[in-house]
Amino acid sequence: GENVEQHPSTLSVQEGDSAVIKCTYSDSASNYFPWYKQELGKGPQLIIDIRSNVGEKKDQRIAVTLNKTAKHFSLHITETQPEDSAVYFCAASYGEMAGSYQLTFGKGTKLSVIP
Amino acid sequence: GAVVSQHPSWVICKSGTSVKIECRSLDFQATTMFWYRQFPKQSLMLMATSNEGSKATYEQGVEKDKFLINHASLTLSTLTVTSAHPEDSSFYICSALRDRPSTDTQYFGPGTRLTVL
Repeated sequence: GENVEQHPSTLSVQEGDSAVIKCTYSDSASNYFPWYKQELGKGPQLIIDIRSNVGEKKDQRIAVTLNKTAKHFSLHITETQPEDSAVYFCAASYGEMAGSYQLTFGKGTKLSVIP
Repeated sequence: GAVVSQHPSWVICKSGTSVKIECRSLDFQATTMFWYRQFPKQSLMLMATSNEGSKATYEQGVEKDKFLINHASLTLSTLTVTSAHPEDSSFYICSALRDRPSTDTQYFGPGTRLTVL
């Protein structure tokens, strides 16, 4: 089955700086890669996702890059703000084309943005 | 759009009682929903996949007689923890796959905190 590794486990940045979280996956058949933000005591919130036919996707201050050859994908947050502080999870699935929608999650990164 | 609700948001019960948790997709249809369990400072652990009109598929190690799942409609799945014990205390989260336009995106509910005394 799929295995997703996520680094770092904790990350502290100054407000306004950029934050980068990296994930690697093991199964080359995976083709859907979402990122979730989870605040304390709440459910995960989808913030951005990318599919294997795309190398990069951007949504305002958030971007995700995917390298299928190396089997890794990264989350980039620019101009960080205190409200970006949360736990971020990456995930992978075989996606719609394979008819399997189960997500395999990384272990999470706790991001702290220091004002 | 793509809102998923859970009820209750938290519940405290005595050991041996059963607890039902509801998961609803409010503005979309979801043939498939998932139930997860999350312990403090850990990642999400998939418990089961719930499909409307059919039996749930449970992950290895999850007792299907203890965690009863019913997906009675395209917008509602329920998880019943039967004969709950303190070790069942956890944060339970559901997610729903939106049938359209893209079926591979999971939207999560806000979670239910279960405490068994």
